[in-house]
Amino acid sequence: EVQLLESGGGLVQPGGSLRLSCAAAGFTFSSYAMTWVRQVPGKGLEWVSAINSGGGSTYYADSVRGRFTISRDNSKNTLYLQMSSLRAGDTAVYYCARDPKNVLSAFDIWGQGTMVTVSS
Amino acid sequence: QSALTQPPSASGSPGQSVTISCTGTSSDVGAYNYVSWYQQHPGRAPKLMIYEVTKRPSGVPDRFSGSKSGNTASLTVSGLQAEDEADFYCSSYAGGILLFGGGTRLTVL
Repeated sequence: EVQLLESGGGLVQPGGSLRLSCAAAGFTFSSYAMTWVRQVPGKGLEWVSAINSGGGSTYYADSVRGRFTISRDNSKNTLYLQMSSLRAGDTAVYYCARDPKNVLSAFDIWGQGTMVTVSS
Repeated sequence: QSALTQPPSASGSPGQSVTISCTGTSSDVGAYNYVSWYQQHPGRAPKLMIYEVTKRPSGVPDRFSGSKSGNTASLTVSGLQAEDEADFYCSSYAGGILLFGGGTRLTVL
């Protein structure tokens, strides 16, 4: 079964760091671009970051550029999001998703999400 | 990086058709044919319904269709069914970034 499973969310203090992981299964992970999307509970979707299939090209929303780093380990079928200098506004459910056509085209497989809460 | 503009709500009775708009600019919706639509039920992850403006992924009913004119994309749901009640989001490639719309809550009356 094709699936994505996020982990690593939790409660972190403002200014702190957290690393999210997204484990892929059921497809050739190394052939697909991947992305992170977040959603404040009860609010809309916000694109966060993307990475191409080989990991050599990365893309960021202005709201996280310089604070978040996306990466992937194709040998482990895992996508990462390293988050630092976290702010209250980063509190959200973070989803990873597969991008089957091209970077930032469309996302056909989504994980179940992991909640990140930034609070003192 | 302004979000795309969607109406906050839309509604229709079972069997009717409803169209949701998604307005961007000449730098995003108007510039690229990478407009997608997602359906999200409460507590669930989004589901891809339309990609590249008009294409439907396998398994998505043909009651869902997409179109674009200028800087505005649209999603039409025909033959409304109770299970179509959900939040719908559009997205567009915008030159190295991706923009989402604010979302439209579709209510089946």
